Amino acid sequence: AQSVAQPEDQVNVAEGNPLTVKCTYSVSGNPYLFWYVQYPNRGLQFLLKYITGDNLVKGSYGFEAEFNKSQTSFHLKKPSALVSDSALYFCAVRAERSNDYKLSFGAGTTVTVRA
Amino acid sequence: EAGVAQSPRYKIIEKRQSVAFWCNPISGHATLYWYQQILGQGPKLLIQFQNNGVVDDSQLPKDRFSAERLKGVDSTLKIQPAKLEDSAVYLCASSLVRQRAGELFFGEGSRLTVL
Repeated sequence: AQSVAQPEDQVNVAEGNPLTVKCTYSVSGNPYLFWYVQYPNRGLQFLLKYITGDNLVKGSYGFEAEFNKSQTSFHLKKPSALVSDSALYFCAVRAERSNDYKLSFGAGTTVTVRA
Repeated sequence: EAGVAQSPRYKIIEKRQSVAFWCNPISGHATLYWYQQILGQGPKLLIQFQNNGVVDDSQLPKDRFSAERLKGVDSTLKIQPAKLEDSAVYLCASSLVRQRAGELFFGEGSRLTVL
């Protein structure tokens, strides 16, 4: 079975400081990894994904994520956070090869960026 | 490009009543998903359609939930009878094809409160 863990329910940072949202995964074989963001009363929006290749993936709104196979992690990062980055962030995983196409989500991390 | 449309945005019903949610995916998207998002949890897949066929409904509580996508375009999710634990946001998502590497496009969700 595949799963995602987001160990922090909440992350609080000051505007202009670096932001990191942690994610670890469990899947049989190679993973396809995704980050989504959810603003209040809105649906999820795709930020970035890792499929193969370079371990550092760049996405929307200045976000990036680093895939670490040995640590089974896919942490989301932003060098300088903005107040507008305050939202709920979800990490998700899908197995590269299996009969199951299901995309499994973590429980989410609430990010609050204070001015 | 129009996004995924869902209605109604909010619905309040009493337990044992029925409710239906509607979703119109992005034009041309063959794959449609219904997710349940309970407060404090990540989205959980209920059912996945490829065109008008069901490819995964393993986590759909079939004694009370049903879904259809008759013409391979829009879809309806029904709950009958509703229970208190069905209170959640029901998210519809679509993707161009059934790709492991493809990201999902989400609607804004339908928030259900069961009293």
